[in-house]
Amino acid sequence: KNQVEQSPQSLIILEGKNCTLQCNYTVSPFSNLRWYKQDTGRGPVSLTIMTFSENTKSNGRYTATLDADTKQSSLHITASQLSDSASYICVVSAPPGDYKLSFGAGTTVTVRA
Amino acid sequence: DAGVTQSPTHLIKTRGQQVTLRCSPKSGHDTVSWYQQALGQGPQFIFQYYEEEERQRGNFPDRFSGHQFPNYSSELNVNALLLGDSALYLCASSLGAHDFTDTQYFGPGTRLTVL
Repeated sequence: KNQVEQSPQSLIILEGKNCTLQCNYTVSPFSNLRWYKQDTGRGPVSLTIMTFSENTKSNGRYTATLDADTKQSSLHITASQLSDSASYICVVSAPPGDYKLSFGAGTTVTVRA
Repeated sequence: DAGVTQSPTHLIKTRGQQVTLRCSPKSGHDTVSWYQQALGQGPQFIFQYYEEEERQRGNFPDRFSGHQFPNYSSELNVNALLLGDSALYLCASSLGAHDFTDTQYFGPGTRLTVL
């Protein structure tokens, strides 16, 4: 069973609207949680990194939240643009000394005009 | 400042063959990680190289091996290819383990198709 589960698997939104993606993880303990954006056929690009002690982190129109108690994170996209169409991947990093990253399967976001 | 580069971009092989994929890390980075990403899935960690040694390995068979050179570039070798090895192979570079919030920078990937 994957240690990082994302929902929904995919979603379609209209340009200008907001959306929220969810990530639940079981990796414990963990060092940090990351959100990546992956365009089709390209490598992932980091959006945010949060340590276990942080609750929220923003990067432009992207805002990530983290609840370490419930092991849940969300990524909120504000005022979506066509260029936001991509797969958004939640990644959990194990504690120092364990260099493996655990990736979710991603949520595919399609923004339509 | 060059980012992470990978070669080749696409590759077609047949079952049983061997393949070598290459990665050059972002300038200033000394750590290279390799991932396999099947279609519609998130990347799966293969291994990580630091100071020319394999520092950690994921759940991949010994058919998957690698190497890191003194200039920090890296190779991923896969022997006895199986159909299930068809995937996007991603290389990511970072700066050692000095800060566990280090950002990994990913290359564009190599698309491997095994026929």
